[in-house]
Amino acid sequence: GAVVSQHPSRVICKSGTSVKIECRSLDFQATTMFWYRQFPKQSLMLMATSNEGSKATYEQGVEKDKFLINHASLTLSTLTVTSAHPEDSSFYICSARGFLGTEAFFGQGTRLTVV
Amino acid sequence: EDKVVQSPLSLVVHEGDTVTLNCSYEVTNFRSLLWYKQEKKAPTFLFMLTSSGIEKKSGRLSSILDKKELFSILNITATQTGDSAVYLCALTDKLIFGTGTRLQVFP
Repeated sequence: GAVVSQHPSRVICKSGTSVKIECRSLDFQATTMFWYRQFPKQSLMLMATSNEGSKATYEQGVEKDKFLINHASLTLSTLTVTSAHPEDSSFYICSARGFLGTEAFFGQGTRLTVV
Repeated sequence: EDKVVQSPLSLVVHEGDTVTLNCSYEVTNFRSLLWYKQEKKAPTFLFMLTSSGIEKKSGRLSSILDKKELFSILNITATQTGDSAVYLCALTDKLIFGTGTRLQVFP
């Protein structure tokens, strides 16, 4: 399958700071990227969908000013958690889909801990 | 509101058993149903089902979609401890995931 690289894999930050998570498709062009949040022993919760060059579409209940998503190129999308708080601590994972495919490939995820 | 529900939530079996995992949905206008396996971190892709009634097979795993009754099943025969994982189904285009089924296979 195609390769999606997510970075960093783990980050610890202080409350009030911002954290940027990158998601790159390494061997294909990702027209659509999905960002998920996953709590322990729970399923993936879709936060937002982004198409290259367009504004992201956020799911209900997800604050767009808190979770800034940029999808400026066909191989890179970023999620910035602004003014992070301990309740933002979670596992964040991205997924990328190419032009023709309907399956999506996942990054390895980022475990964010806000202290 | 689009909804994807998986059952059971959790399943514990012994090696060699056969399991059937269910994914039912209330989603209008989707292209495909996808199955993923999540062990520690990133889900890995298993199957993509687009047409109703056509079984997809990969080794001991198989899956089928019923668009009339709005569900899909994932079968695993002769389970092994390496099959222990969370199995997730999702619907495109929006890639909404179900609740997942946690499968534990003991020797």
